[in-house]
Amino acid sequence: QVQLVQSGAEVKKPGASVKVSCKASGYTFTSYDINWVRQATGQGLEWMGWMNPNSGNTGCAQKFQGRFTITRNTSISTAYMELSSLRSDDTAVYYCARVDIAGPTEGAFDIWGQGTLVTVSS
Amino acid sequence: DIQMTQSPSSLSASVGDRVTITCRASQSISSYLNWYQQKPGKAPKLLIYAASSLQSGVPSRFSGSGSGTDFTLTISSLQPEDFATYYCQQSYSTPRGFGQGTKLEIK
Repeated sequence: QVQLVQSGAEVKKPGASVKVSCKASGYTFTSYDINWVRQATGQGLEWMGWMNPNSGNTGCAQKFQGRFTITRNTSISTAYMELSSLRSDDTAVYYCARVDIAGPTEGAFDIWGQGTLVTVSS
Repeated sequence: DIQMTQSPSSLSASVGDRVTITCRASQSISSYLNWYQQKPGKAPKLLIYAASSLQSGVPSRFSGSGSGTDFTLTISSLQPEDFATYYCQQSYSTPRGFGQGTKLEIK
């Protein structure tokens, strides 16, 4: 079935970097964008950025520019999100989500990963 | 950036009730509006896309309407499994922001 499976929970110290993976299966990885969304405990959803796995083009929210990177390895249908210079307020669950930009869902996030908890603590 | 504002932020209702949640965009987004349901400890689930199209597998008691800046999500007859948090999201432009969420609780 169509799914996105993310890597496991991480604990990092302030100032460090974290890299989370998102492995796609059940569909053609390069035919759909991947977006990243995070959610702090008890808070709402915050959009972080996107990537087109076919072209490698990316974009992100202004607040993350300079410390947020999305990459991919098309041979293993996996996208990666890396966040650097971590702070305590980066503690959150990070989700990847599939987006069919050119299809009928008009940019909706139709498939989500299970989430990866990143804890930033000294 | 386009700001998305939901109301109410929380809502108490009973099984069988009809409920409506509102989402307003700070500028016109045509019909590029999506609704998600999230239960505790789970990833969000797409319910409605393009303002009024029901995602495959979603019960028909969920419906969406609106265009431009004002949108609504309606649940025609609440079921026990519908108590969750609901988010709207615009897919008109980046950043693809979400509303702050509406927590639907059992009365």
